[in-house]
Amino acid sequence: GAGVSQSPSNKVTEKGKDVELRCDPISGHTALYWYRQSLGQGLEFLIYFQGNSAPDKSGLPSDRFSAERTGGSVSTLTIQRTQQEDSAVYLCASSGAPRDEQFFGPGTRLTVL
Amino acid sequence: AQRVTQPEKLLSVFKGAPVELKCNYSYSGSPELFWYVQYSRQRLQLLLRHISRESIKGFTADLNKGETSFHLKKPFAQEEDSAMYYCALIGSQGNLIFGKGTKLSVKP
Repeated sequence: GAGVSQSPSNKVTEKGKDVELRCDPISGHTALYWYRQSLGQGLEFLIYFQGNSAPDKSGLPSDRFSAERTGGSVSTLTIQRTQQEDSAVYLCASSGAPRDEQFFGPGTRLTVL
Repeated sequence: AQRVTQPEKLLSVFKGAPVELKCNYSYSGSPELFWYVQYSRQRLQLLLRHISRESIKGFTADLNKGETSFHLKKPFAQEEDSAMYYCALIGSQGNLIFGKGTKLSVKP
C-alpha cells in the first residue's frame, strides 16, 4: 500500500514569507507526527495529532509554527514569517495507534533565503 | 528528563569487522527503545525495537537498564550497512525522542 507522502519535496522561499507543508498519512492511521531534521539539531519533535484529540504542540519552536489536521487525515504544517533558521527537512510520520511503529514520509526540504 | 545520547557522530569500519553503535538514554519508568536507519536518498525507517527482540539484517540490540544503554551491534559489517543510524525512545506524550545520529561508513 501507499506510504506516507509529503509535498512539496523541496521549497525555497524568501525570509518573511509564509509556507505550507502537506502530509498525507497512511490510510487508517490515527496518529500523525511532525518532526524537523537539521544539521545542528538532529531530529526534533514538533507536533502530534491523535484521532480527534487536541494536538500536542509542545515541540513547536515558536508561535510562527502551527499545524492542523483535517478530517483526521491530511495535515498541514504552516510556518509564518519564515526565518533562515527554519531551513531544515520537515518530516511527517504516522502510526496505527499511539506508541506503535511510526512510518516516515520522504520529507520536505525547506530553504529560507 | 527524557533524552537519548549517541556519542559518536561518525563510525568507520572495514567490511567484515564487528560494529557497535552506542546509545544511552535517560527516562523515568520503562522505556520503549528503537533504532531507525536512513540510507542515502531514502526515508527514515525502523530497523528494530527492543520489545520485539529480533535480529534485522544481522543487527541486534539489547536493552541494559542498569547501564541505561541500547547499543546496536552487528558481528560482520557489510558495505550496504553504510547509513545514518538513529536511536530513539518513545516519550511520555507518544512522540519519538531521537539521538543526534551516528553515520556508519563501511569501507571495502
